[in-house]
Amino acid sequence: ETGVTQTPRHLVMGMTNKKSLKCEQHLGHNAMYWYKQSAKKPLELMFVYSLEERVENNSVPSRFSPECPNSSHLFLHLHTLQPEDSALYLCASSQDSSGGSYNEQFFGPGTRLTVL
Amino acid sequence: GENVEQHPSTLSVQEGDSAVIKCTYSDSASNYFPWYKQELGKRPQLIIDIRSNVGEKKDQRIAVTLNKTAKHFSLHITETQPEDSAVYFCAVGDPGGFKTIFGAGTRLFVKA
Repeated sequence: ETGVTQTPRHLVMGMTNKKSLKCEQHLGHNAMYWYKQSAKKPLELMFVYSLEERVENNSVPSRFSPECPNSSHLFLHLHTLQPEDSALYLCASSQDSSGGSYNEQFFGPGTRLTVL
Repeated sequence: GENVEQHPSTLSVQEGDSAVIKCTYSDSASNYFPWYKQELGKRPQLIIDIRSNVGEKKDQRIAVTLNKTAKHFSLHITETQPEDSAVYFCAVGDPGGFKTIFGAGTRLFVKA
């Protein structure tokens, strides 16, 4: 499969559950991102990884834990979430944007998360 | 940090008319300004971007203008079609690198 893929596409979990979101990119990029998209804050950057190192952590609660084992894979581990965490979680990738040199971000289809 | 404001939040136009969406930003050192389109139930996709060394860029019916002095940039869509209906996000690349700040989005309706 080409581009950026995400699994699962839909997830329903209770507040005491532990789950993980997976993102995979097949574009040869070396930067990956997690965004939260909700009605209140449309596209909110959560984490950025460049060359498998976390370079941005946007004041995200510790109940969200990212992991980037290699430049093609990105995970978001979830535990003890709250109902207000229900949203669409989007993964994206791009070529390394160090030094302020930006390139297009390619988004995955997202995971629709519902926390009961 | 960078702050991006986008207006209007909703825009309704008749097919064939033009649509204009405006964004302002706060950090004068910012130098990358992309626009993304998100159709209902789909992922955001880049439609056009501009860097600070140019003032205008055009791609068929879509154009973006940048005024660095006033710190604002705009998306112009001419001869709108129903398939242009979507949410459009402006964004600004933080000068420090890695962080792209998105505007709140504009929901565009093109009436046939």
